[in-house]
Amino acid sequence: GAVVSQHPSRVICKSGTSVKIECRSLDFQATTMFWYRQFPKQSLMLMATSNEGSKATYEQGVEKDKFLINHASLTLSTLTVTSAHPEDSSFYICSYRDGAREKNTEAFFGQGTRLTVV
Amino acid sequence: AQSVAQPEDQVNVAEGNPLTVKCTYSVSGNPYLFWYVQYPNRGLQFLLKYITGDNLVKGSYGFEAEFNKSQTSFHLKKPSALVSDSALYFCAVRGLNTGFQKLVFGTGTRLLVSP
Repeated sequence: GAVVSQHPSRVICKSGTSVKIECRSLDFQATTMFWYRQFPKQSLMLMATSNEGSKATYEQGVEKDKFLINHASLTLSTLTVTSAHPEDSSFYICSYRDGAREKNTEAFFGQGTRLTVV
Repeated sequence: AQSVAQPEDQVNVAEGNPLTVKCTYSVSGNPYLFWYVQYPNRGLQFLLKYITGDNLVKGSYGFEAEFNKSQTSFHLKKPSALVSDSALYFCAVRGLNTGFQKLVFGTGTRLLVSP
């Protein structure tokens, strides 16, 4: 399957600072990208969807100014949590779909980032 | 709107016994169905998918799933469980009508295989 590299795997930051999470597709072109947030013992909550070169589309209730998504190339996407607060502590996961393949293909996920805001 | 239900928070099974993790779905039109596994502090790994064709789908690590259209179910199965199968399992559905081809996940089922 396709390889998606996400880092950092863990980050601890002080309240009020910003944190950038990177997600790279290593062996395919990622035209569509999804960012998820996962709370403990809960399912994945889709935060936003973006296409390369376009603005992200955010799900209802997700603050676009707080969670900045940049999908500048077919191999790199970033999520920046701005002015982080303890309630932003969570597990963030990126996901790509291979744009060159059929629509019914599975998505590929990064390893996830555990963010802890203190 | 599409949705997925995983009715069991946790499934316990002894090593060597068969296991089943349940999933039912709701979607307009024909569904694309997926199973993913998640190990602690890791992303999701793809196990198998149903798009069309045979109702019994075989996937990674000896897992299989049976698509049942009349019951709108897609239960995950394995004939003989291993301790290493202990993880969190997610069922997901993608409907043909969703603009972004979004995956909708169930709440997850924790599988615990005892030695």
